[in-house]
Amino acid sequence: DVKVTQSSRYLVKRTGEKVFLECVQDMDHENMFWYRQDPGLGLRLIYFSYDVKMKEKGDIPEGYSVSREKKERFSLILESASTNQTSMYLCASRPGLAGSEQYFGPGTRLTVT
Amino acid sequence: RKEVEQDPGPFNVPEGATVAFNCTYSNSASQSFFWYRQDCRKEPKLLMSVYSSGNEDGRFTAQLNRASQYISLLIRDSKLSDSATYLCVVNMGDNFNKFYFGSGTKLNVKP
Repeated sequence: DVKVTQSSRYLVKRTGEKVFLECVQDMDHENMFWYRQDPGLGLRLIYFSYDVKMKEKGDIPEGYSVSREKKERFSLILESASTNQTSMYLCASRPGLAGSEQYFGPGTRLTVT
Repeated sequence: RKEVEQDPGPFNVPEGATVAFNCTYSNSASQSFFWYRQDCRKEPKLLMSVYSSGNEDGRFTAQLNRASQYISLLIRDSKLSDSATYLCVVNMGDNFNKFYFGSGTKLNVKP
């Protein structure tokens, strides 16, 4: 059974703080993703990674960076948190086979005050 | 225009009813299609992939219409436990790691 875990379920940070969100998957998947989900907007892709140390920007990368030093771990970094980054953050992974689905972690609800 | 569009609902139906959702997508080169289910405050989970020939899994049937660029989900004999938000997901094909999500259709099944 695929398992994707995220470091925190709930997080409260202050404006300007540096925030780290961690994601770990245990199925040796090549690809990992970070999304944010906001009401009425659906899931929007922030960044994804298709290999260790490789990353690509998604649709809304501004204000975020990522790190993938090991295959199983993908980190999302908010360099200087702002209130408009208050959201639900979802990590996902998928194997390298075309057409395969994504498996999601439980999400981190981040509030920036 | 959004890449993937869904009717947000909510669809309020009695137990035992049949309900259908549609989802339209903008890119005719799209390759892979999925329906995910998301319960309140939980992560999305795959309900079913959608194949060109259509596919069925118990009470759930998914169809793909490439000519009109939409996919559908039919739920027969609705159960209370089917209450959730259903997300339409499309891979656009230009990058097999780029998935586009609809904003979801909320289903409430009432006793």
